[in-house]
Amino acid sequence: EVQPVESGGGLVQPGGSLRLSCAVSGFTFSDHYMDWVRQAPGKGLEWVGRSRNKTKSYTTEYAASVKGRFTISRDDSKNLLFLQMDSLKIEDTAVYYCARLYCSGGRCPFDYWGRGTLVTVSS
Amino acid sequence: DIQMTQSPSSLSASVGDRVTITCRASQGISNDLVWFQQKPGKAPKSLIYAASKLQSGVPSKFSGSGSGTDFTLTISCLQPEDFATYYCQQYNSYPVTFGQGTRLEIK
Repeated sequence: EVQPVESGGGLVQPGGSLRLSCAVSGFTFSDHYMDWVRQAPGKGLEWVGRSRNKTKSYTTEYAASVKGRFTISRDDSKNLLFLQMDSLKIEDTAVYYCARLYCSGGRCPFDYWGRGTLVTVSS
Repeated sequence: DIQMTQSPSSLSASVGDRVTITCRASQGISNDLVWFQQKPGKAPKSLIYAASKLQSGVPSKFSGSGSGTDFTLTISCLQPEDFATYYCQQYNSYPVTFGQGTRLEIK
């Protein structure tokens, strides 16, 4: 069964750092693009960023709101996706989800999501 | 950024009803649209991709249509497990953007 599982959330002070992990199983991780998406309490969904697959040299994309502060990486040998979050702001408080993309013909829809991990930025 | 506008924002319906949710993109996105379902504390579940293609394992009571800027999700014969929040999402261009959600409640 394809099921991403996020971990690493918690309480952090403004200006601090946190690293989230997403463990995946049930598919060949290196073949797939993976995204991070977040949802602030009571708010809508916001795309955070993308890690492309080995074929695309693991290149990344980021939302303007996190560019320069967040870094996405992956370890294909361990089936892990990471989100390194630095210089955290109160407005980064959210549930963070990782999601698998299934790319075909140059189009990449999401197909499987994890349950998310809560990050709270507060003093 | 492409804005995705869903309507209605909430909807009350009864078991057995058929409902339709709409999603409008601020510019053309071809058929690069996903519909997914979210329940509290659960992983979001993708239902439809490429605007009208059913994800594997999703029952045929869910159907999607549309292309360009206007899209619909139809759910027929509502069952208690279908009451949730539904979102549309475009993947035509960066950044990926989402509708604000439609909360489907039991009448």
